[in-house]
Amino acid sequence: GAVVSQHPSWVICKSGTSVKIECRSLDFQATTMFWYRQFPKQSLMLMATSNEGSKATYEQGVEKDKFLINHASLTLSTLTVTSAHPEDSSFYICSASQRTSGMVPHHEQFFGPGTRLTVL
Amino acid sequence: AQTVTQSQPEMSVQEAETVTLSCTYDTSESDYYLFWYKQPPSRQMILVIRQEAYKQQNATENRFSVNFQKAAKSFSLKISDSQLGDAAMYFCAYPMNRDDKIIFGKGTRLHILP
Repeated sequence: GAVVSQHPSWVICKSGTSVKIECRSLDFQATTMFWYRQFPKQSLMLMATSNEGSKATYEQGVEKDKFLINHASLTLSTLTVTSAHPEDSSFYICSASQRTSGMVPHHEQFFGPGTRLTVL
Repeated sequence: AQTVTQSQPEMSVQEAETVTLSCTYDTSESDYYLFWYKQPPSRQMILVIRQEAYKQQNATENRFSVNFQKAAKSFSLKISDSQLGDAAMYFCAYPMNRDDKIIFGKGTRLHILP
């Protein structure tokens, strides 16, 4: 299957600093990338959807200025957590989608391994 | 609106036994997919099995199979001959055709008892 990488896998930063997380599709071109946030023992919460070359679409309640998403190419999307605070500490997961053919075409999502962010 | 419901927050099963995880969903679409994802302690999301709604035959992947009841909007996952490596969070998921988002259930944490 298609491979998606995330970097870094974990990061610790001081409150007030910004942190950038990269998501790459390694062996396919991703038309769309998704960013999720996951709290302990909870499900994935979609934060935003990004398409290459256009502005990301944020879910309700997600601060656009706090979580900056850039989708510069068909293989790379970045999430920047700006002015991070302890409440931003979480596990962030990206996925990349590739349109599939078949009776019901859809975008199958391939997930990265996630990034654990800890803000001190 | 589409929704996915997993009513079992946690389940336990003895090693080598069979366990069934429940999932119900709601949609107005007639053709769609349904997925079960596994999230082990590493937290990497792994696609376990997919079902195409227009297919009446239940999907099977080795020890994993589904019981898909389209009219009842039910999509349960059966794990046979449970192994210690099956211990994980399992998420039922519905990919929306309209905008390619995935709706996840809240998950079921599966414990395997040796």
